[in-house]
Amino acid sequence: AQSVTQPDIHITVSEGASLELRCNYSYGATPYLFWYVQSPGQGLQLLLKYFSGDTLVQGIKGFEAEFKRSQSSFNLRKPSVHWSDAAEYFCAVGAIEGGSQGNLIFGKGTKLSVKP
Amino acid sequence: DGGITQSPKYLFRKEGQNVTLSCEQNLNHDAMYWYRQDPGQGLRLIYYSQIVNDFQKGDIAEGYSVSREKKESFPLTVTSAQKNPTAFYLCASSLGGQAPNSPLHFGNGTRLTVT
Repeated sequence: AQSVTQPDIHITVSEGASLELRCNYSYGATPYLFWYVQSPGQGLQLLLKYFSGDTLVQGIKGFEAEFKRSQSSFNLRKPSVHWSDAAEYFCAVGAIEGGSQGNLIFGKGTKLSVKP
Repeated sequence: DGGITQSPKYLFRKEGQNVTLSCEQNLNHDAMYWYRQDPGQGLRLIYYSQIVNDFQKGDIAEGYSVSREKKESFPLTVTSAQKNPTAFYLCASSLGGQAPNSPLHFGNGTRLTVT
């Protein structure tokens, strides 16, 4: 069965520092991969997605992610974090199996805190 | 602007009462979803619908019911059979069969508190 693991529950970085959030997935075929961000009390917003092609994908708000098939990873990065990036981040993998077409499987999230 | 509207934002109910959460979208999306979010547990799928008048159970459907009479609307009823209903509920939509694994668009959620 497909699964997504985000090993870090909570990360704190200083404003201006670089950021990497880890995501590992388990999937039998080529996955569809997503990163979403959630501010407190809000819904989720899509940051970026990977379907095929270039393994380094650019997203909104200066984020990027790299798909590494050999490591089953899709880590999210940002060169310089801003205080407004404090939020919870979710990695998700697309699952196409029988009747579950189109459903995403989410990791448990990584909460990012930014210190001045 | 197109989007997903969930109402109300906060909902309080007494134990034993059924309660219905509203979700409306004007994105012309075929597929709609309900997720439950609890701290530290990520998002868990309750029900989803790929087309009007059809829906399927997700991973945690027990104690919940849905209907999909219109493309735009996918209300979720939390019944008294749901043992632990207090949670944050998120509705989402996507292009569904038009584009498998298209990204989800989320509403801003309803926080349900049952006492």
